[in-house]
Amino acid sequence: GQNIDQPTEMTATEGAIVQINCTYQTSGFNGLFWYQQHAGEAPTFLSYNVLDGLEEKGRFSSFLSRSKGYSYLLLKELQMKDSASYLCAVGGNKLVFGAGTILRVKS
Amino acid sequence: DSGVTQTPKHLITATGQRVTLRCSPRSGDLSVYWYQQSLDQGLQFLIQYYNGEERAKGNILERFSAQQFPDLHSELNLSSLELGDSALYFCASSGSRPPFPYGYTFGSGTRLTVV
Repeated sequence: GQNIDQPTEMTATEGAIVQINCTYQTSGFNGLFWYQQHAGEAPTFLSYNVLDGLEEKGRFSSFLSRSKGYSYLLLKELQMKDSASYLCAVGGNKLVFGAGTILRVKS
Repeated sequence: DSGVTQTPKHLITATGQRVTLRCSPRSGDLSVYWYQQSLDQGLQFLIQYYNGEERAKGNILERFSAQQFPDLHSELNLSSLELGDSALYFCASSGSRPPFPYGYTFGSGTRLTVV
């Protein structure tokens, strides 16, 4: 089976950098996804990691260490619109999602 | 517009009733996944279909059932509804099986309220 852990909530200041961690245990690993979900809306794709290392995409970066079962999402130059839930997901034929980390960006 | 269409967007119904949620996947996607998201909970996997066949089942209640039709749209049927079934129900589709490296495309969800 799969087990995914993320912090429940985080708060950061506009313009700052925040790192959201995700640890996982899985019986099959084909990659790790990060999704962003605003309240009441559909999750949207942010990033995908299958190999160890850092993937950078604009203000967002995601890191993976397969040996440690660990990933993080790094958000730079935070904006108010980044206030959302961030979901870590892993899996084989289907994705299993963590409970999500609610990020609150304050001015 | 993500390309995945879910209807209806909102549904209010009474306990004991039956409802049907509909999903049309993105054009060309053969896989459809259903997830339930209750208040303050993560996305819980319910069931997956690939090209009309059931491929994986999660913690789906016996009162719930689903199918995927030849035109690839899918329906999730929820019966004998209880207050605890109130949730957001998401459909997602993917063009590959397993869903790597592009992941899922989610529909906008159906918010079900059981009163």
